[in-house]
Amino acid sequence: NAGVMQNPRHLVRRRGQEARLRCSPMKGHSHVYWYRQLPEEGLKFMVYLQKENIIDESGMPKERFSAEFPKEGPSILRIQQVVRGDSAAYFCASSPVAGTEAFFGQGTRLTVV
Amino acid sequence: GEDVEQSLFLSVREGDSSVINCTYTDSSSTYLYWYKQEPGAGLQLLTYIFSNMDMKQDQRLTVLLNKKDKHLSLRIADTQTGDSAIYFCAESGTASKLTFGTGTRLQVTL
Repeated sequence: NAGVMQNPRHLVRRRGQEARLRCSPMKGHSHVYWYRQLPEEGLKFMVYLQKENIIDESGMPKERFSAEFPKEGPSILRIQQVVRGDSAAYFCASSPVAGTEAFFGQGTRLTVV
Repeated sequence: GEDVEQSLFLSVREGDSSVINCTYTDSSSTYLYWYKQEPGAGLQLLTYIFSNMDMKQDQRLTVLLNKKDKHLSLRIADTQTGDSAIYFCAESGTASKLTFGTGTRLQVTL
């Protein structure tokens, strides 16, 4: 059973471009969480999704950020018109049941130049 | 809102015990976790404890929970150089999201 898979591992974007980050949860896990880690800081919750539904997006910036978890395929975190302040590590986690232990992927490190 | 606090840095000698402390504010926390992050890597779940437990031991790791004081600690026995990393405390309350502390950087010296 493969772990949580995130790709790409590293992503470089110029200011104004779009960034698409993918997360494939562990097999059998239908709950996906996205977190952002700014340099030298802890992880901050962004959004919680369950297949085709956004359950909690209280940590998502109001503009430019969106997330989806379609019936088929990975969860996608999309950042439009990236700015330098979006440079961070973005981690995805999954769990089989809400509120139980979450397993994290290796993260996508986004650099905006 | 929920808040989780940790000291930023801890240095110990190889072979000694390390104790990393964490305080949290959410009285409805159901699970409390310890994660390890090595440089440039993701988060590795080390252990977790239910909020109705006082202690959990797993090989070299001992987790102590004082629910009254909302204080959580992680003790690593016989600390090795491979234990050098950042350790994050996290809690989940009635919601499923995790609230993380800022992390404690553990440095193990020879």
